[in-house]
Amino acid sequence: DAKTTQPPSMDCAEGRAANLPCNHSTISGNEYVYWYRQIHSQGPQYIIHGLKNNETNEMASLIITEDRKSSTLILPHATLRDTAVYYCIVRPWSGYSTLTFGKGTMLLVSP
Amino acid sequence: GAGVSQTPSNKVTEKGKYVELRCDPISGHTALYWYRQSLGQGPEFLIYFQGTGAADDSGLPNDRFFAVRPEGSVSTLKIQRTERGDSAVYLCASSLSGLAATNEQFFGPGTRLTVL
Repeated sequence: DAKTTQPPSMDCAEGRAANLPCNHSTISGNEYVYWYRQIHSQGPQYIIHGLKNNETNEMASLIITEDRKSSTLILPHATLRDTAVYYCIVRPWSGYSTLTFGKGTMLLVSP
Repeated sequence: GAGVSQTPSNKVTEKGKYVELRCDPISGHTALYWYRQSLGQGPEFLIYFQGTGAADDSGLPNDRFFAVRPEGSVSTLKIQRTERGDSAVYLCASSLSGLAATNEQFFGPGTRLTVL
């Protein structure tokens, strides 16, 4: 079973920030938070990951709460091309592990 | 550079037939993964290769499913005696190494399998 909880769907206006929440209250100290997204008819695409510090890259920002039980993925200026299913995944930082996907959040960006 | 490619993009077969799905990973990636995605669900792990060997096949649903990666590059997922329940999108992913959680997985576009 997935270790994360996400809302099934969210809406966002084009140009506005999209804030996608994820609850991972049972996260272990050695687990990272990963975000992937899947645009319709494509394979999932890596977005960002973090352990405990906030992270930012060219695609998004990841804010992790101090107790690490939840996080928020922020798309600062959403575009229509950001419409996708967004998956939040927790995964150990060492050794081998695969990705366990839940159902994710369907983000619809509208004009 | 080239990403992960999968062929065919679509495969329609009849119940009971045998199918092979091919994955070409990114050059130099030693880790390769197969996932299956049913409609409305997230991808579900099937098998992981590190080099030529299947390091984890715990996700294969039954012995009708088998995968190989004989030279540590291209992989083939084989399904015998297909059933209608096998209909799904089969995704392949590769990463530089499977041994470090920070190695991101790059996914192919998937093969949509339909069993009539």
